[in-house]
This record gives sequence, structure tokens and C-alpha cells, in this order.
Amino acid sequence: SQTIHQWPATLVQPVGSPLSLECTVEGTSNPNLYWYRQAAGRGLQLLFYSVGIGQISSEVPQNLSASRPQDRQFILSSKKLLLSDSGFYLCACITGAWYEQYFGPGTRLTVT
Amino acid sequence: GEDVEQSLFLSVREGDSSVINCTYTDSSSTYLYWYKQEPGAGLQLLTYIFSNMDMKQDQRLTVLLNKKDKHLSLRIADTQTGDSAIYFCAESTTSGTYKYIFGTGTRLKVLA
Repeated sequence: SQTIHQWPATLVQPVGSPLSLECTVEGTSNPNLYWYRQAAGRGLQLLFYSVGIGQISSEVPQNLSASRPQDRQFILSSKKLLLSDSGFYLCACITGAWYEQYFGPGTRLTVT
Repeated sequence: GEDVEQSLFLSVREGDSSVINCTYTDSSSTYLYWYKQEPGAGLQLLTYIFSNMDMKQDQRLTVLLNKKDKHLSLRIADTQTGDSAIYFCAESTTSGTYKYIFGTGTRLKVLA
């Protein structure tokens, strides 16, 4: 079965600083990968998804970008963080016959 | 358009049954899912149902699907304090991206 790793688990960054969040997947190959943001413990906003290496689709215009340098690695980045980028960031992958989406443990980002 | 709605809160007594409801609007949805999120954690897949099914039972969980009314429910029998969490329903289609549409989440509080 698949395992999704995310790091760091928590991060406090000042406004204007860069960001790099990493997600790696084990136990499956060629997964669809997703980045979500969750504000205040409710509601998931899909930020990016990827169906393959180097293939990134953005769902909403924002201060963030994503990359997929390897099959099972998905990175979320920003050149300059805004206060509004604070939130809980979740990485997910889809695998299985029922196209189940599985989630990583998340990264709590606080921009100060 | 696509939208998934849930009531925000539900409070039940330990040992009672909980019923969490969800309505969706995309009639082309093929798969429907229920997730559980505990504080500070990622989403845990609980169960799923294919759109041509009416019901699915998995131990204490029963999923009912009324496709005509686009209504999905999750019943938790013998609710325990460990069931306290936020519950999300989600729908997806069988397009290549398998994007999910998540509900807003229902916060279940189990009273001892």
C-alpha cells in the first residue's frame, strides 16, 4: 500500500521569505498527485495537480507554484510568502481500482 | 456547476448512531467517498461507493446513496468518543485527472 510523506510537519516563515514543501510517495508508481490547502481546519482548496513528471496544472491563480521533478516527488514553492499563504497544506495521491485519494500527514504553515 | 454541501455540526451521545449527510450536484460523478480528519492530521479514507450502488456497509459504517436526489449519507453505528472528528464527503468523475470535489466538512462531537 502507498505511504505519503510530507515535510516539514510545521513551518513558521516571515512574510516575503521563500517556501519549499516536499511530498514523496512510496508503494505506488505513476500516481496522480495533488496539493491542497485547508484554512482553519475546514474546507479543502485544490491548488495543483499532476498526472506525470513535469506536468502541472494550477487550479487557482496564486502566489504558489508546484513542480514534479520525479515520478513520486511533488514540491510546492513560493518565491515570496504572503500572510494569506498560512494554512494546512496537504499532499495526496490517487491509486487503486476505485481511484481512492490518499493523503499525507500535512504541513502546518504559519506566515508571520 | 459542481458543489458538495454538508451540515457544519453534529452532536450525538456515545453509543447512539450518527448520520452525516451530503448533497452533491454533479450527476456525472462516478465515485463518492467519505473521509475522516482528526485535529492536526491529514484526511483518512473511510469508505467509498460507486454511483450504481445504493448502499455499502463496512463494519460500523453504512453508506446510503440516493442518486435521484444526489444525496449521500454516512451512518456510524454505536458512535464512540474516538469518532469525534470532521467528516468530509467527496465526489469524483472518471476523467484522467480524477479531481475530487470535497464538501465543507461536518464536525462530529460525541458526548460521553
